[in-house]
Amino acid sequence: AQKVTQAQTEISVVEKEDVTLDCVYETRDTTYYLFWYKQPPSGELVFLIRRNSFDEQNEISGRYSWNFQKSTSSFNFTITASQVVDSAVYFCALIRSYNTDKLIFGTGTRLQVFP
Amino acid sequence: NAGVTQTPKFRVLKTGQSMTLLCAQDMNHEYMYWYRQDPGMGLRLIHYSVGEGTTAKGEVPDGYNVSRLKKQNFLLGLESAAPSQTSVYFCASSYSGPGGTEAFFGQGTRLTVV
Repeated sequence: AQKVTQAQTEISVVEKEDVTLDCVYETRDTTYYLFWYKQPPSGELVFLIRRNSFDEQNEISGRYSWNFQKSTSSFNFTITASQVVDSAVYFCALIRSYNTDKLIFGTGTRLQVFP
Repeated sequence: NAGVTQTPKFRVLKTGQSMTLLCAQDMNHEYMYWYRQDPGMGLRLIHYSVGEGTTAKGEVPDGYNVSRLKKQNFLLGLESAAPSQTSVYFCASSYSGPGGTEAFFGQGTRLTVV
């Protein structure tokens, strides 16, 4: 069975702090994709990143970085120098690549960044 | 580009009433999905479609029906609404198979069943 766990329900930080959102996944497949989505207070879901199971290189995009470690089945997301606009719910998600199956979401982590 | 558009954005239903949520995408995507979002439970897949004329059940299909008569539209129906169906509903579409590309989401429909 596939599962995505985001153990952190809510995180509060002060602006300019670094924050890491954890994502642990379970799958028996060797080929799969992992995603992060952001849901700001306005409610829409915004795609942030997609990573396939064969690419363990870390990725950096501005203040965002992702650490994919197959050995620990984790795909963690770090925001450096957080800003108030980063306040949102962040979802990690998993899908198998060969199956027309569902995109499985974690329960989300609510990040609040205070000025 | 409009992307994925959901209609309506808000709705209040009485128990037992029926309604249809419309999802339209203008990106020529093959795959379309309906999710519901409930507090503390993330997004759960209701039904999905891998192409025009096809539909399949997701995690929580009971009480819902769907149709994909046209490639660009994916309809979600509630035949007899129940308070347990109070939720925020999201439609999504993607170009290729799962993992091939990211899914694009609509703005959501907030449904309250009283």
